[in-house]
Amino acid sequence: NAGVTQTPKFRVLKTGQSMTLLCAQDMNHEYMYWYRQDPGMGLRLIHYSVGEGTTAKGEVPDGYNVSRLKKQNFLLGLESAAPSQTSVYFCASRTSGTLAEQFFGPGTRLTVL
Amino acid sequence: GNSVTQMEGPVTLSEEAFLTINCTYTATGYPSLFWYVQYPGEGLQLLLKATKADDKGSNKGFEATYRKETTSFHLEKGSVQVSDSAVYFCARLSGNTPLVFGKGTRLSVIA
Repeated sequence: NAGVTQTPKFRVLKTGQSMTLLCAQDMNHEYMYWYRQDPGMGLRLIHYSVGEGTTAKGEVPDGYNVSRLKKQNFLLGLESAAPSQTSVYFCASRTSGTLAEQFFGPGTRLTVL
Repeated sequence: GNSVTQMEGPVTLSEEAFLTINCTYTATGYPSLFWYVQYPGEGLQLLLKATKADDKGSNKGFEATYRKETTSFHLEKGSVQVSDSAVYFCARLSGNTPLVFGKGTRLSVIA
């Protein structure tokens, strides 16, 4: 099992450019999440999905869109990148239930100039 | 609402020192509680968990006890090593809502 993988690992964008971050998991997990991590802010939830074809807003959804067309993939899109979106982005997944361990990807470091 | 508060870091200890990182949670319902660890340049990984009052989670020498009366889940280790240097996150989970994380505590262990 590869677990949770993220593509790309690093990216530099100019303000106004768009991009898509891909998250993939091979554990047949129902739930998937996108977080951003900034110094002193901990992890903040951007969007999440409780199943294929579903998405929901998290704590900081503005400026991002997501799609879950296939159960194993969860895409995070930035339509018009801003310097405030410079961050490290983590994807995570887990099965349903309160005992389920949440597995994290290795992160994508995004810089917006 | 649901929230988790953990002590601010950074925490700097000498090797073999005793570690405590405090964590408290809001007592809405009966959440499951977790500690995650993030090593430099990596994603988070589960360290330990507890699902009901008085449960003790343990792993790699770390322990935490679910204290309902004080709504706490403090992380402890009797003798830290340099390899324990990382950021530690406390988290709570209620039902199928997303995990709620604390802001993280950075631990540095010096030889």
